[in-house]
Amino acid sequence: GAVVSQHPSRVICKSGTSVKIECRSLDFQATTMFWYRQFPKKSLMLMATSNEGSKATYEQGVEKDKFLINHASLTLSTLTVTSAHPEDSSFYICSATTGTSQWDEQFFGPGTRLTVL
Amino acid sequence: AQSVTQPDIHITVSEGASLELRCNYSYGATPYLFWYVQSPGQGLQLLLKYFSGDTLVQGIKGFEAEFKRSQSSFNLRKPSVHWSDAAEYFCAVGPYNTDKLIFGTGTRLQVFP
Repeated sequence: GAVVSQHPSRVICKSGTSVKIECRSLDFQATTMFWYRQFPKKSLMLMATSNEGSKATYEQGVEKDKFLINHASLTLSTLTVTSAHPEDSSFYICSATTGTSQWDEQFFGPGTRLTVL
Repeated sequence: AQSVTQPDIHITVSEGASLELRCNYSYGATPYLFWYVQSPGQGLQLLLKYFSGDTLVQGIKGFEAEFKRSQSSFNLRKPSVHWSDAAEYFCAVGPYNTDKLIFGTGTRLQVFP
C-alpha cells in the first residue's frame, strides 16, 4: 500500500527557534499534500493544502509566515514552524493523495510531535 | 451550526464482542461521510466512505457503517472485535458544497482480552 513518512517523529526545541518537518510519499507521486494539526482530545484541523511547484493554500486563521510550506517535488513537502513558541506545541500530521481534494483517498504520515520549551 | 459529533470519547469492549461507534452530523444536505482509524504510531487509515447509493457500506478490516438520513448518523460497526482494533476512530464529513473534510473529535477504543 501507499506509504507516507514523516521526519522527525518527535522534536523538542527552544522558544524562538525554527523547526522543519518533512513529509514524503515513499512509493507514489502525490499530486497534493495536506498538513494538519491535532490537539490533545481534539480533531484534526487542516492547516494548508500543498501542490508541487505552487504556493500552498492556507486555511483561515493559519499564519502563512509562521508555518512555511514548501512542496519541492511530487514526493516531498516540508513544514517549517518559524520562531516557534510554546503555543505551537502540537502533533503535526501530513497526508498525501494522487487526487486534488480531501475527499480523495489520503495516505497519512505517522505524525510529528513538536514540543516547544 | 454545522458540526460532526462523536458522542463517545472512550469505549471499552471485550475481545470478540460487537462494536458500534456513533457519529452524528449536522449539515443542511447529506455530506460525504468517512471513517478513519488511527493506530498507535501509525498514520490515519481510511476504513470506509459513503458518497451515495447503498446506505450500508462495507470497509476494510471487517468494519461496516450505515448511513441513516433520518437520524443524520453514520455509525461504524464490527460484529467481533479483535485486540488489534484498539485505536482512535475518527468520523469525518465532507460538506457537499466544499471539497473539505471536517473531522470529529474521535473515539478511543480499548479492547480487553
